[in-house]
This record gives sequence, structure tokens and C-alpha cells, in this order.
Amino acid sequence: EDKVVQSPLSLVVHEGDTVTLNCSYEVTNFRSLLWYKQEKKAPTFLFMLTSSGIEKKSGRLSSILDKKELFSILNITATQTGDSAIYLCAVGLYTGTASKLTFGTGTRLQVTL
Amino acid sequence: GAVVSQHPSWVICKSGTSVKIECRSLDFQATTMFWYRQFPKQSLMLMATSNEGSKATYEQGVEKDKFLINHASLTLSTLTVTSAHPEDSSFYICSARVWQISNQPQHFGDGTRLSIL
Repeated sequence: EDKVVQSPLSLVVHEGDTVTLNCSYEVTNFRSLLWYKQEKKAPTFLFMLTSSGIEKKSGRLSSILDKKELFSILNITATQTGDSAIYLCAVGLYTGTASKLTFGTGTRLQVTL
Repeated sequence: GAVVSQHPSWVICKSGTSVKIECRSLDFQATTMFWYRQFPKQSLMLMATSNEGSKATYEQGVEKDKFLINHASLTLSTLTVTSAHPEDSSFYICSARVWQISNQPQHFGDGTRLSIL
């Protein structure tokens, strides 16, 4: 059975802190790993990773994938209250005709003043 | 770009009613759309993969007669929850991927909150 595990489950930090969110996976037919941010409604896309060791960066957020050790991290530097959300990790799997996503349970991040 | 619109955003109805939810890709074509369900404080669970012009592929444990999916065009997929009961109350989210461009992420609609009384 395909598994995607995120840690920690929840996290409370002060504004300005740096956080690291973890995602490990055990799947067959790995295609990609994606990070999404979910606030009140549906998830918004952050990063898609397919190659090991290549960091992707967008502003204060960055992410990297290790396909040998089967994990990814999402870093957020200089956190702001607007970063408070659930961060979802999903693994894209080949299914023959179309790939599908298997999601982790998410990390709930709360950034306080 | 890559905007997915879902309608309605919130539905409250009586037990036994059938409810239709629409998912549209507004600025791109999508041969494949996905339907997810999310319970409070839980992650997204894939229900089915919707393929334009053919039958949907359902995940294990999802009743295809209960959750009817129609993907009639490259920009529209619908999910009908038939004879809904309180246990069907949940947050339903669709996603779509850009057609014919490989290795693209799924883009999500804003979701539909379904409450069955």
C-alpha cells in the first residue's frame, strides 16, 4: 500500500522563525512529489519535485527531494502570520494512463506574533 | 493561468436528495480531472479519476453507483452524489491537470462543502 507520512502533525512558531516540514514516502511507480498549501478552501500549488538534490525556491519557501532516502523537506524562512495553513505533501504515481496523487495527512502550521 | 472553478461552494440539503457538483477548467483543457473527499482535520482522499469521453476510474471502496461522475467535455466534469445521507457530508474537491503537457501539477477548485440533514 502506498504511504505518504508527514511530520510534525502540527507546529506553532513565532513570526520570524524558520521551519522545516518533513515528508517521507513509500510508494510504487513514483513520478513526482508535490507540496501544496491549504488555508480555508482548496490546496494551492507550491512546488513539484522530480529530481533528487535540486532545490526549488520561491521567495521564503524552498523544497528539496531525496529519492534515495525517499523524503522531501519544505523550508519556510522568516515566517509570517500569513504562512499559517496546512501544508500537504503529495506523491504523484504512474497509473498507466494518468498519474494520480496520494496525499499525506498534512502539517498544520500556526505562526504567532 | 490554470484556474479550476467548482460550483456550488456550499450545499445543504435533506437526506435522500441527489446533489450535483460541477468542476470546470476555465483557461485550459483537461482530459483528466480528479475528485477528492476531505473529512475535518484529515487529508484529501482520492475518490475517482474522471476521464473525458470514457468511464471514470474509482478508487477501492468508493461506490460508483453512489458517486456518479460524468466528464462530457475537456473543461467540465460533474460529480453527482445520489440519494445523499448524513454520512456523505464532507468537503468535496476537484482538480485538473493541463492537457498534453507532461509532468504538470494538479490544480484544485475551491471545493464544495456538502451538508446532509
